[in-house]
Amino acid sequence: GQQLNQSPQSMFIQEGEDVSMNCTSSSIFNTWLWYKQDPGEGPVLLIALYKAGELTSNGRLTAQFGITRKDSFLNISASIPSDVGIYFCAGPAIKAAGNKLTFGGGTRVLVKP
Amino acid sequence: NAGVTQTPKFQVLKTGQSMTLQCAQDMNHNSMYWYRQDPGMGLRLIYYSASEGTTDKGEVPNGYNVSRLNKREFSLRLESAAPSQTSVYFCASSPSRDRVDYGYTFGSGTRLTVV
Repeated sequence: GQQLNQSPQSMFIQEGEDVSMNCTSSSIFNTWLWYKQDPGEGPVLLIALYKAGELTSNGRLTAQFGITRKDSFLNISASIPSDVGIYFCAGPAIKAAGNKLTFGGGTRVLVKP
Repeated sequence: NAGVTQTPKFQVLKTGQSMTLQCAQDMNHNSMYWYRQDPGMGLRLIYYSASEGTTDKGEVPNGYNVSRLNKREFSLRLESAAPSQTSVYFCASSPSRDRVDYGYTFGSGTRLTVV
């Protein structure tokens, strides 16, 4: 079945720095979604992307829909402690498998001690 | 606040006990989902209900049953709990099976420990 691979699996951030993460697939996606899960909570939708090449921002977060349609990127600028959490990419599974979202394994963002 | 409500938030079960996790949404969504989240495994789909009156297996259905009680409510039942079912369970909903590109709305989760 379709898989979404997220990289890195985890990262440490220092307050004020910019960080990036990505999501790749062997299949083409027509929609990319980025979620954030705060500790002890459910995932919350941050950004939705619907066109190849699209660049969309939500505050300090910027996501891009890769032009190959097989990848997407999320950038966080000027990190703050509340950026800690798990970031998931997701996209609709192929129609033959039913209209469900496929989720990546997540990138865990931690604060440098 | 509108959204997805899950109960209970925490539960400890003994091996072999049964329990039902409750989920309700007040957004008039048609489709509902149950996921489990384990360390390093991401979100895995257990069961889903594309619309009221229908349910289908997801990626990891063994050991679980579901009931779509009405449009608002979708429950997950563990008939005989096993330690391997220790996990965090999330319920989610979406407007319809044809509009998953708008994403899902998730509940805050049920943290289940089976001892």
